[in-house]
Amino acid sequence: DQQVKQNSPSLSVQEGRISILNCDYTNSMFDYFLWYKKYPAEGPTFLISISSIKDKNEDGRFTVFLNKSAKHLSLHIVPSQPGDSAVYFCAARANTGNQFYFGTGTSLTVIP
Amino acid sequence: EPEVTQTPSHQVTQMGQEVILRCVPISNHLYFYWYRQILGQKVEFLVSFYNNEISEKSEIFDDQFSVERPDGSNFTLKIRSTKLEDSAMYFCASSEGDRTYEQYFGPGTRLTVT
Repeated sequence: DQQVKQNSPSLSVQEGRISILNCDYTNSMFDYFLWYKKYPAEGPTFLISISSIKDKNEDGRFTVFLNKSAKHLSLHIVPSQPGDSAVYFCAARANTGNQFYFGTGTSLTVIP
Repeated sequence: EPEVTQTPSHQVTQMGQEVILRCVPISNHLYFYWYRQILGQKVEFLVSFYNNEISEKSEIFDDQFSVERPDGSNFTLKIRSTKLEDSAMYFCASSEGDRTYEQYFGPGTRLTVT
């Protein structure tokens, strides 16, 4: 059951540059998407969300883009900061329930 | 800032034993969830709970699992007879409302079954 996929297990970016994290999904019933950030020994922390009626949502340095036809979303972080180093999870929810389906995560390292 | 808390942070138990994982959700939240993450794998939904009953559960949440809100603040996950494959990080989450509300996660309980 791989309804949400994050194909890049890790990403390294120089401080100040843009970080782009990608996520693909297969279930056309998904209508709400979130990104969570997770530090070691902590629970996931909500970062940003997007509803399927939008194609972009921006919050400070974080922007999420949704391409419904491609079933693809991405998280852009600009400029990247060393404190952004964490594992980022993409999650999606179907219009039939409350449960989130998580991707496997992408470990982002921002190099000072 | 309000947060979800979980106890214990680490639980070691022998196979076949019962364990209870505890969570205190954010006080004004109405929806409660359990997720688990087996080491190296993705976070998986187990169950959601609203108005004192299970509202949704995954195929992982079989008869060995149960949830309870024994009082106005705690939310518990019980595993009746633990198996080795139950070893995982268990996350509790809560949300103010359903579907359009973000879920806030606790720090997790690491369960090790030996």
